Formats: sequence, C-alpha cells, structure tokens
Amino acid sequence: AQSVAQPEDQVNVAEGNPLTVKCTYSVSGNPYLFWYVQYPNRGLQFLLKYITGDNLVKGSYGFEAEFNKSQTSFHLKKPSALVSDSALYFCAVRPGSARQLTFGSGTQLTVLP
Amino acid sequence: GAGVSQSPSNKVTEKGKDVELRCDPISGHTALYWYRQSLGQGLEFLIYFQGNSAPDKSGLPSDRFSAERTGGSVSTLTIQRTQQEDSAVYLCASSSGGQGNYGYTFGSGTRLTVV
Repeated sequence: AQSVAQPEDQVNVAEGNPLTVKCTYSVSGNPYLFWYVQYPNRGLQFLLKYITGDNLVKGSYGFEAEFNKSQTSFHLKKPSALVSDSALYFCAVRPGSARQLTFGSGTQLTVLP
Repeated sequence: GAGVSQSPSNKVTEKGKDVELRCDPISGHTALYWYRQSLGQGLEFLIYFQGNSAPDKSGLPSDRFSAERTGGSVSTLTIQRTQQEDSAVYLCASSSGGQGNYGYTFGSGTRLTVV
C-alpha cells in the first residue's frame, strides 16, 4: 500500500528566507506526486504535480518541488518566503494502479515577518 | 459551476441523528471524491465516483456511511446514527481525468460537529 510521510508538523521561517517542506513517499511502481495548500477555512488548492519528465517541477505562487527517486522524496521549496505563504501544506501520492490520492498528515508553515 | 460547491458549510447535530452532506462538482468533471479531515490528521479517503462505473467505497469507515452520485453530477454523503468520532471536516473534490492526474479541485468542506 502507498503512504506519504511529512516528518515536520510545523515549519517556521523568516520572511525572505528560503523554505523547504519535506515529503517522502512509499509506493510500488512509478509515483504521481502532488502538493496542495490549505488556507484557513478554505478547501485545498492544487500547487503542483510530478507525473513524468523533469525532476524539478514548478507550480503556483513561486513554489517548486524536486522529485528524487533514489531518496523517494518530493520536497516543496520556495527561494524567498512571504508571510502570505503561511498555510497548511499537504503532499499526496498516487501509484499508477490506484485512482485516489493518498495524503500526508500536513505541515503547518508559518512565515514570520 | 465555477468551483466545487459543498453544503452546508457547517453542521451541528446530536449524536444518533442522520446527516446528509452535499457536493456539487465542477460541470463536466467525471471524477468525484470524498475525503475526511480530522483535527491534526491528514486527509482520509472515503469514496470515489468515476462516470457511470461502480464507486470505490474502500475508504468508508463503517456501514453507517454511504454516498451516491445522481446523474453523474451532484453527490450526497450520508452518515447514519452519527457518533462523536464522526466530527470532522468532510471535503469533496472533483477532477476532469479519472486518474486524477490533472489534480483535484476541492470544495471548502462541511464542518460536522456531533454533540
């Protein structure tokens, strides 16, 4: 069965500094990987995905993620954090054989002014 | 519609009562998913509908939970004889591809509180 781990419940970073939100996965076969963001009292919003091709994926709001097959990781990154990036971030995986996404437990990102 | 619409946005119910949660997906999206988000937890898959195929109910936690999707559009999630552990935010999502490779569009959720 597939699984996703987000090892950090909380990440704090100063505005202007680079940020990383970690994600590792376990899945049989080639993974399809996703990042979603949830702002307070809102539904989840799609940020980016990796299906095939380039290991570095660029998404919305200046975010990017790097697929690392050997480390089974898909960390979310941004070169310069904004206070408005503060939100709950979810990593998700779908193995080729499944139809639904399996989500991690989420990481609360707080960007301090 | 322009987005995924869920109603009600908040629901408080007494233990033992039945509740119905509604999801109106994006027009033309063939796939519809229900997830549950409990406090401090990730998203738990409940059920998946794709077109006219039989739904994947593998995530439903008990037989008190059921869902239907009428006419390939609106979906209703029903919880019978609600329990306090059912309290959570219930999220609906739809996608245009059956495999979800296009990413899901989520609704804002229904916050269910069982007292």
